[in-house]
Amino acid sequence: KAGVTQTPRYLIKTRGQQVTLSCSPISGHRSVSWYQQTPGQGLQFLFEYFSETQRNKGNFPGRFSGRQFSNSRSEMNVSTLELGDSALYLCASRPDSQETQYFGPGTRLLVL
Amino acid sequence: DQQVKQNSPSLSVQEGRISILNCDYTNSMFDYFLWYKKYPAEGPTFLISISSIKDKNEDGRFTVFLNKSAKHLSLHIVPSQPGDSAVYFCAASYSGTYKYIFGTGTRLKVLA
Repeated sequence: KAGVTQTPRYLIKTRGQQVTLSCSPISGHRSVSWYQQTPGQGLQFLFEYFSETQRNKGNFPGRFSGRQFSNSRSEMNVSTLELGDSALYLCASRPDSQETQYFGPGTRLLVL
Repeated sequence: DQQVKQNSPSLSVQEGRISILNCDYTNSMFDYFLWYKKYPAEGPTFLISISSIKDKNEDGRFTVFLNKSAKHLSLHIVPSQPGDSAVYFCAASYSGTYKYIFGTGTRLKVLA
């Protein structure tokens, strides 16, 4: 099976712009979660989608949003980018009723 | 408030010796714990997990120990190999919620 894929891998934006990141889960996985990784902060949970519904949400401002499509692909959007949004954004998918998540390679976002 | 803590940002170990990575958590409701390994430019990969009904789980060179009373878990790697050099993250969840809280990671360097 192909692993979790994320596009684009690298992105440079300027403050105030918005960005959309994409994630394709492993075939058959209906759960997709998003994380932000910054130096010294570890992986911070953004949200989880399951069958097109947001099931869990972390403590991030409303500028961070997401959605999931019927084929389980997910997108994450960040509006009005701030310098502090520079980070590695990781997507993970999970088989139903299993705890183990499988991560994609991430999208590295740099906000100038 | 960091609910999952990895207090050692880095650790160096000689090849062939034991590596011990530690993780502490504050929320006694957590009942499922995972360890992930991350190489640069890649997403985290699942290593090993343990549920709170156990105090030990082994998989080859990797063993995870859970001390519920101390709210502490540790990952032992024996023997350590240079290919084990990576950043290791522990994560905790309430089983069934599929919402994971990650630590900030420990960078392990195994010296040949």
